[in-house]
Amino acid sequence: SAVISQKPSRDICQRGTSLTIQCQVDSQVTMMFWYRQQPGQSLTLIATANQGSEATYESGFVIDKFPISRPNLTFSTLTVSNMSPEDSSIYLCSVGVGGANTEAFFGQGTRLTVV
Amino acid sequence: AQSVTQPDIHITVSEGASLELRCNYSYGATPYLFWYVQSPGQGLQLLLKYFSGDTLVQGIKGFEAEFKRSQSSFNLRKPSVHWSDAAEYFCAVGPPGAGSYQLTFGKGTKLSVIP
Repeated sequence: SAVISQKPSRDICQRGTSLTIQCQVDSQVTMMFWYRQQPGQSLTLIATANQGSEATYESGFVIDKFPISRPNLTFSTLTVSNMSPEDSSIYLCSVGVGGANTEAFFGQGTRLTVV
Repeated sequence: AQSVTQPDIHITVSEGASLELRCNYSYGATPYLFWYVQSPGQGLQLLLKYFSGDTLVQGIKGFEAEFKRSQSSFNLRKPSVHWSDAAEYFCAVGPPGAGSYQLTFGKGTKLSVIP
């Protein structure tokens, strides 16, 4: 299993500013993932964060808007840049442990409100 | 493109009653299938998963789900609901072989339980 800690748990930000969300895992993991959950919507994968290489972004998400860092095997950050009210969502970090046939673990999420 | 449909946005059941949450998917091949639960202010917790084999899958907290290939469905069931089951439930699919990674989620079904 894996225990994931996300910081901050929630924040209220002004439009035009940026927020960096941290994800810390209690064990080394190869792949980490960032999801967005907009109000009333399902979770949508933003990107896959691999240690030692650039993040891989899903369609509709770009690095300039959501830069990701992955400095080591237990930590990642997601920055939401130049925020607008449409960025108000819950952002979740996820990890998979032990290969393909395994469970994905999720952090408790960061609830972001942009005003 | 893959998609997951959870046709019921909100379901209310009485404590002790049976429960079935519906999930249909669209995918090129048989995907890996998951059900997650999200309690208020909490991250997602895996209830059960299907990779292959027996189409009736047992999970935690007394939940089970049945994979029906002909109907592209993976419905979640529980014979007797407890008040603590009130939460939001998400069905998800993942690419076969990639396991729990890069999941596509449905929009979720919110379950309310009447004492």
